[in-house]
Amino acid sequence: SQQGEEDPQALSIQEGENATMNCSYKTSINNLQWYRQNSGRGLVHLILIRSNEREKHSGRLRVTLDTSKKSSSLLITASRAADTASYFCALDQTGANNLFFGTGTRLTVIP
Amino acid sequence: DAGITQSPRHKVTETGTPVTLRCHQTENHRYMYWYRQDPGHGLRLIHYSYGVKDTDKGEVSDGYSVSRSKTEDFLLTLESATSSQTSVYFCAISLDRGLEAFFGQGTRLTVV
Repeated sequence: SQQGEEDPQALSIQEGENATMNCSYKTSINNLQWYRQNSGRGLVHLILIRSNEREKHSGRLRVTLDTSKKSSSLLITASRAADTASYFCALDQTGANNLFFGTGTRLTVIP
Repeated sequence: DAGITQSPRHKVTETGTPVTLRCHQTENHRYMYWYRQDPGHGLRLIHYSYGVKDTDKGEVSDGYSVSRSKTEDFLLTLESATSSQTSVYFCAISLDRGLEAFFGQGTRLTVV
């Protein structure tokens, strides 16, 4: 498969807890991106990590990338109810002209 | 928000009729994409464009055609709509390949 595979498919946590979701892939990539989708809306870009980077931060988001294991993780710290959404990883594969999206992790943050 | 508009936002059509969805951008981005989103499948690429009149197929292109006569507009046509094409369609743009993509609000299409 050219898609990333997110794990878990669904995650439910209490407000204030940290949320971790993972993305595994099988191909060679130039970069990996994470997107958020609120119900009924389009996807919104969160962060991009290049294949030569291991970790990146943006506000409460922390992304790691391990190209030897072909996996990435997205950590959301101190979660809020507004973080409730689906999160997708997207792969910029070597030689491709488009991003390949996974099936997403549905995150529910309980107030 | 990136200047990207999809129209219509909702459409119900009958099996066998042609349908055209429009994506309009004001960002002058080179790449434009059409994806469909279905439960359990995530987003799948239908077609994309890398310039005016330059288009290519994605993984689920059967039954769809596209046109890009101007930088700002990318049209998706369902030549003869089928129930399997009931889906939510998203347009996306990016400055260049592999970069951050900006998505439209989506078009919910129902084929009855």
